[in-house]
Amino acid sequence: QQQVKQSPQSLIVQKGGISIINCAYENTAFDYFPWYQQFPGKGPALLIAIRPDVSEKKEGRFTISFNKSAKQFSLHIMDSQPGDSATYFCAASKGSNYQLIWGAGTKLIIKP
Amino acid sequence: DTAVSQTPKYLVTQMGNDKSIKCEQNLGHDTMYWYKQDSKKFLKIMFSYNNKELIINETVPNRFSPKSPDKAHLNLHINSLELGDSAVYFCASSQGDRHHYGYTFGSGTRLTVV
Repeated sequence: QQQVKQSPQSLIVQKGGISIINCAYENTAFDYFPWYQQFPGKGPALLIAIRPDVSEKKEGRFTISFNKSAKQFSLHIMDSQPGDSATYFCAASKGSNYQLIWGAGTKLIIKP
Repeated sequence: DTAVSQTPKYLVTQMGNDKSIKCEQNLGHDTMYWYKQDSKKFLKIMFSYNNKELIINETVPNRFSPKSPDKAHLNLHINSLELGDSAVYFCASSQGDRHHYGYTFGSGTRLTVV
């Protein structure tokens, strides 16, 4: 019940296309859902996050869609660029718990 | 002006040795973490300290021992290194449970045990 399941494991998208990464969770007590972006040789960095009281959050080309009833959330990258090539992690946490529950990561490659 | 800095960046050592990884943050955060990232990129939390108090202590071998001398530092000492300890270790920090500010990660320490 503590897991966050992320798919796909890897994704190849043409430049200019839409990249979509999905995550599903079981624990309805989760109340914070961030996405992190990790470039090779670097640590993960917070990209965008959402709370379950909204269904969508957009920051530039990055959008989180949240479906509370289905217990799913997804990251959409519009007009994907080669510089977006990275590993993306979804995560979830609840209340004042300091511990994030992480997805397994998606390696995204944007082909020029 | 690095926010979370780890040293060393690379560490190659023989089985059985003892090694330490140091971490410092200059963000004024009160919570620090150690994560292990394996070859498949899976992130596993190991420890977390809040204001120098251990708050998360996941199931890791007791060969791993964290130490937080103050809020800005969290070091990781590893005794009797084994081949399976080879991984990238990340230090991170956050401001308490203010998740909307996220975690700030260091650039990692790649540990190779031979």
